[in-house]
Amino acid sequence: GQQLNQSPQSMFIQEGEDVSMNCTSSSIFNTWLWYKQDPGEGPVLLIALYKAGELTSNGRLTAQFGITRKDSFLNISASIPSDVGIYFCAGQPQRSSGNTGKLIFGQGTTLQVKP
Amino acid sequence: ETGVTQSPTHLIKTRGQQVTLRCSSQSGHNTVSWYQQALGQGPQFIFQYYREEENGRGNFPPRFSGLQFPNYSSELNVNALELDDSALYLCASSLGGAAAYEQYFGPGTRLTVT
Repeated sequence: GQQLNQSPQSMFIQEGEDVSMNCTSSSIFNTWLWYKQDPGEGPVLLIALYKAGELTSNGRLTAQFGITRKDSFLNISASIPSDVGIYFCAGQPQRSSGNTGKLIFGQGTTLQVKP
Repeated sequence: ETGVTQSPTHLIKTRGQQVTLRCSSQSGHNTVSWYQQALGQGPQFIFQYYREEENGRGNFPPRFSGLQFPNYSSELNVNALELDDSALYLCASSLGGAAAYEQYFGPGTRLTVT
C-alpha cells in the first residue's frame, strides 16, 4: 500500500537554529499536509498544500509541495522551545477513489530544542 | 468557533468487550474521519462519514463501525475488543468534497484493552 517515509526520524537542535524535514513516497499524492502533535494531544494542522511546486508559509514555518508530487518539505526557521513535538506529514494519494478523505500519514519526526 | 471534542478522554476495557467513542465536529464542518494511532506511529485511517453516510474505509475489520448524526457528531464502535486495539483514537472534522482532506483533529481518546 501507499507509504510515506519521513526523515529524519528525530532531531535535537539548539534554539535559534533552522530545521528541515522531508517526506517522500513512491507514488503520487494530490495533497500534502503537515501536522504537529504534542504529547497527549491530537495533531494540529500547520500547512496544507494543493499544487505541485506550491510553497506556503505559516509564520516561521514554510512547506513545499514537490514538483514530482512524490515529496514534500517542511522548514522551521529560528526554532524556539515551543517547537518541540512530533511533526507528521500526511497526504491524499492520487489513486484514492472519489473524495474519501483518507489521509496517509508518515511515521513522524520528533523535534527536540535545547534552550 | 468550537473545535473538535472527543469523549471520553481515557478508557480501560477488557478483551472481548465493546466500546463506543464519541466526537463532536468543529462548527461548520459536515465531515468526520476516524483514525487509530498506535504508540510511536502515525495515525491510520479507519473511515470517514459525510452527511451520515460512510464515505471511505481503511483496512479495518467490520467490528469497527461508526455512525454520524444529523448534527454531524459521530460515534466509533468497536466490538470484540482485542489487545491490539489499544491505541489513541482520533476524530477529525472537515468540510466535504474537495476540502475533505484539510482535517482538524480532536484531542483523542486513549483506549487501553487488558
